[in-house]
Amino acid sequence: GENVEQHPSTLSVQEGDSAVIKCTYSDSASNYFPWYKQELGKRPQLIIDIRSNVGEKKDQRIAVTLNKTAKHFSLHITETQPEDSAVYFCAATNQAGTALIFGKGTTLSVSS
Amino acid sequence: DAGVTQSPTHLIKTRGQQVTLRCSPKSGHDTVSWYQQALGQGPQFIFQYYEEEERQRGNFPDRFSGHQFPNYSSELNVNALLLGDSALYLCASSMGYRANQPQHFGDGTRLSIL
Repeated sequence: GENVEQHPSTLSVQEGDSAVIKCTYSDSASNYFPWYKQELGKRPQLIIDIRSNVGEKKDQRIAVTLNKTAKHFSLHITETQPEDSAVYFCAATNQAGTALIFGKGTTLSVSS
Repeated sequence: DAGVTQSPTHLIKTRGQQVTLRCSPKSGHDTVSWYQQALGQGPQFIFQYYEEEERQRGNFPDRFSGHQFPNYSSELNVNALLLGDSALYLCASSMGYRANQPQHFGDGTRLSIL
């Protein structure tokens, strides 16, 4: 079935370091890949997204890369700050293109 | 510009009861999708409403049903509640039924089943 796997489940970094979270998806028809940040007790917030016709997208300290052949996509956060601490979810569209399939999340802890 | 709003924020029910959750989409959005998020897990797609019809459904039983109103707001109904229905229920809105449009989430309704 449709599946999105996300690694690692937890990630601890020092302030100023980079953090990378990786996801793989199963359906080659997936064409949209958003990333959400969810702080404790709050709503998931869309932080960046990428479409299947683009290989890389950057927004300040955040970047996402997509490898369609390998069905991999990754989130890169540079110069991490304590306020980056949260749970990050990747997602991919399902085969019908009408729903998002989410990974299980990565808990990122940035210590100062 | 109001974002996605959900009510109530918290709800406690007992097994066998039924519940109705409500969602108002972000201004300008016409599509509402509902997700269930169990503790420590990613959101799981329940169903999507567009033009007042259920367009797509995830792997959830018929106990889960919904509705969309002409003003695009939506309700999620769950009948015969089970302990396993305890979760955060999230509503997301977007423009158009395609999931490749950015989906914006509400704060969710925390449902606890005793």
